[in-house]
Amino acid sequence: GAVVSQHPSRVICKSGTSVKIECRSLDFQATTMFWYRQFPKKSLMLMATSNEGSKATYEQGVEKDKFLINHASLTLSTLTVTSAHPEDSSFYICSARDMGQQYFGPGTRLTVT
Amino acid sequence: GENVEQHPSTLSVQEGDSAVIKCTYSDSASNYFPWYKQELGKRPQLIIDIRSNVGEKKDQRIAVTLNKTAKHFSLHITETQPEDSAVYFCAASTAAGNKLTFGGGTRVLVKP
Repeated sequence: GAVVSQHPSRVICKSGTSVKIECRSLDFQATTMFWYRQFPKKSLMLMATSNEGSKATYEQGVEKDKFLINHASLTLSTLTVTSAHPEDSSFYICSARDMGQQYFGPGTRLTVT
Repeated sequence: GENVEQHPSTLSVQEGDSAVIKCTYSDSASNYFPWYKQELGKRPQLIIDIRSNVGEKKDQRIAVTLNKTAKHFSLHITETQPEDSAVYFCAASTAAGNKLTFGGGTRVLVKP
């Protein structure tokens, strides 16, 4: 089946720095990827839809200047958390669409100190 | 936009018993309803899904029912086993592969 990877799996950064998370579709091409955020013991909240070759579509309330999304190729989307703060600490999960299904990455746990 | 409510938030059952989780959605344009199982720190895994042209779907011990008129759908797990312990999420979308709106999740504990 379709496989999606994320890198890194865990990252700790200092407040004020930026962090980039990669989402890759390993055995298929994905024109559309999604970025979700999950707080501890909470549900997944869609942050944005990443479209290859065009701008991402952000959900209401998500700051596009803070969460920069780049989908530069058919197998890679990146999420950059700029000027991270402790409240950005969360589990970030991407998914990629293939043949009408969404396949989730393993997630990236971001801790901002 | 779509809003998905899920109940209960926690569910404890004895091994061998059945577990039922219920979800309601608000957007009548939603046509695709997947269910995911997520273990701690892991990615969500699709366990079953149903489309709006079907009222019920079954896969071994797991079944899902959909009432499009009432805008609710349910997950049924029969003969529960300890390995069924996890968090289960329902979701809704206008089509398979489109963006998903998730319910709040149900933490299921199967006691041996």
